Amino acid sequence: AQSVTQPDIHITVSEGASLELRCNYSYGATPYLFWYVQSPGQGLQLLLKYFSGDTLVQGIKGFEAEFKRSQSSFNLRKPSVHWSDAAEYFCAVGVRGYQKVTFGTGTKLQVIP
Amino acid sequence: SQTIHQWPATLVQPVGSPLSLECTVEGTSNPNLYWYRQAAGRGLQLLFYSVGIGQISSEVPQNLSASRPQDRQFILSSKKLLLSDSGFYLCAWSVLGTSGRGDEQFFGPGTRLTVL
Repeated sequence: AQSVTQPDIHITVSEGASLELRCNYSYGATPYLFWYVQSPGQGLQLLLKYFSGDTLVQGIKGFEAEFKRSQSSFNLRKPSVHWSDAAEYFCAVGVRGYQKVTFGTGTKLQVIP
Repeated sequence: SQTIHQWPATLVQPVGSPLSLECTVEGTSNPNLYWYRQAAGRGLQLLFYSVGIGQISSEVPQNLSASRPQDRQFILSSKKLLLSDSGFYLCAWSVLGTSGRGDEQFFGPGTRLTVL
């Protein structure tokens, strides 16, 4: 079965600084990979997704993620963080033809002025 | 466009009382539907999913149940709530894609359930 690990429970960055959130997955074949963002008390919103092709994926709100097969990673990046990016971020892995998706435990991002 | 609704938004219930949470999707047909529970620091736990009317798969044995009486309606129920049922419940939908594409899930706004 597939699994996903987000090693950082909580990250604090200064506004304007760059951001990288880590995500490692475990699956024998090429997975489908997702990043979601959740504001407090809200549902999850999809930031970006990787299915195949170009390993650098662009998403909404200026986020991007890079799929690295050799490292089994799909890290989320943003060159300059805004205060409104403070939220919890979830990485998820899916399998072709399989209805279920496995979510990581999330990384809570705090942005300080 | 597609939208997903959940209600109620918040709910406070005594231990031992029944539960019914409802989720409806608009703008799509034959979606896959999901119920998740979210607890602090534990990510999203998949409770149930459904690929069609009357078809329910349970992921975690517990005192909750799910039903899908209509194509775009998904209901989470309990006959007797436990303290441990407190949490944030999220409904989501997806549609199997074509050409081998995986599908993202689209989430509702959630229901905050507190069992006292």
